Amino acid sequence: GAVVSQHPSRVICKSGTSVKIECRSLDFQATTMFWYRQFPKKSLMLMATSNEGSKATYEQGVEKDKFLINHASLTLSTLTVTSAHPEDSSFYICSASEFLDTQYFGPGTRLTVL
Amino acid sequence: AQSVTQLDSQVPVFEEAPVELRCNYSSSVSVYLFWYVQYPNQGLQLLLKYLSGSTLVESINGFEAEFNKSQTSFHLRKPSVHISDTAEYFCAVSPNTDKLIFGTGTRLQVFP
Repeated sequence: GAVVSQHPSRVICKSGTSVKIECRSLDFQATTMFWYRQFPKKSLMLMATSNEGSKATYEQGVEKDKFLINHASLTLSTLTVTSAHPEDSSFYICSASEFLDTQYFGPGTRLTVL
Repeated sequence: AQSVTQLDSQVPVFEEAPVELRCNYSSSVSVYLFWYVQYPNQGLQLLLKYLSGSTLVESINGFEAEFNKSQTSFHLRKPSVHISDTAEYFCAVSPNTDKLIFGTGTRLQVFP
């Protein structure tokens, strides 16, 4: 149980284009989903928290207009990196929580912006 | 604010030896504590967690961690490691269950 999927697992795009990453909870309803960014050999940095049907809450320093988050249903959240630049290249990880005491993580998406 | 310190960035150990991965945290409020494991090219998996009750928590694959409030620590231990335990281990705290604050991770490398 408690499986979270992400799609795509890897994506390469040109600078200036937008990329959408999907996060799905497969066997539970996720009232809350989280988006993290992981830099090489670094910890995970929380980018934003989203509750189904509400606007996402972004952490300080994260540009909400650049990283658009939508949590349209209890099993799906999307992160759209708009006008991507090479510095946005990173490993993006989502997690989902049903009762907020435990987060279950997706396998991550490797974004490379050329 | 909360913070997590994992002092050891890498821990090399031989197979069947015991291991301890250290985690200390700082918080002015009560927290929940977690250990996550990340195997190569995979996402994070919950290893064990402390929410309340017994301060010693165990995972299904032989790891255990003990919450020590006075020392603000949540060290992870295993009496005998396997090659398959090679992975990155992250300690995390949650002050109010709506977000996780991660440490920088400890790379456990098990050698034959």
